[in-house]
Amino acid sequence: GAVVSQHPSWVICKSGTSVKIECRSLDFQATTMFWYRQFPKQSLMLMATSNEGSKATYEQGVEKDKFLINHASLTLSTLTVTSAHPEDSSFYICSAPRTGMETQYFGPGTRLLVL
Amino acid sequence: DAKTTQPPSMDCAEGRAANLPCNHSTISGNEYVYWYRQIHSQGPQYIIHGLKNNETNEMASLIITEDRKSSTLILPHATLRDTAVYYCIVFRAGGTSYGKLTFGQGTILTVHP
Repeated sequence: GAVVSQHPSWVICKSGTSVKIECRSLDFQATTMFWYRQFPKQSLMLMATSNEGSKATYEQGVEKDKFLINHASLTLSTLTVTSAHPEDSSFYICSAPRTGMETQYFGPGTRLLVL
Repeated sequence: DAKTTQPPSMDCAEGRAANLPCNHSTISGNEYVYWYRQIHSQGPQYIIHGLKNNETNEMASLIITEDRKSSTLILPHATLRDTAVYYCIVFRAGGTSYGKLTFGQGTILTVHP
């Protein structure tokens, strides 16, 4: 069964509003989680690393003030897209490495459409 | 992490083995080969990984050449539900970049009846 969940699975919002996406590890603790973005017909692109107890680290070109990340607990990371615009419409996917098992589990993704 | 090269697309008949190749000629000694797949509109799914020995699990087999410069993912009896994009990723487990997977374009595998 799924070991990483995301909520919501899809969201439609108006331009200028903020959207929060949750990522949860269901049966293990994750001190680190990752956020990816995927545009249609493209591959996944890493956006940022979410660290429990410290600030997130962002990949080059990703605006940290626009994509706010909070790793609230060992099982929850949230990504908030602030002042969303149509170009932010994308498929957002989180992942969490399972320590000791050398594998990384991905959430089912959240599809965001900004009108 | 080393770069990988995969064919953009492959076809396979249902029930037959699907053999997906991956080249990773610049792989270093402490880098693993990971395979993930992404079914349309879903998050990637872990399939298998290996360092230098061949590996098998309930989903697939992974064959790594002796020089580790290439590998093949084998789905022994492909089904229509195996239609997906398959990603081969070379990754150094542990260290400061732990978990930061770099996805290429992958191989679109289409299984047909």
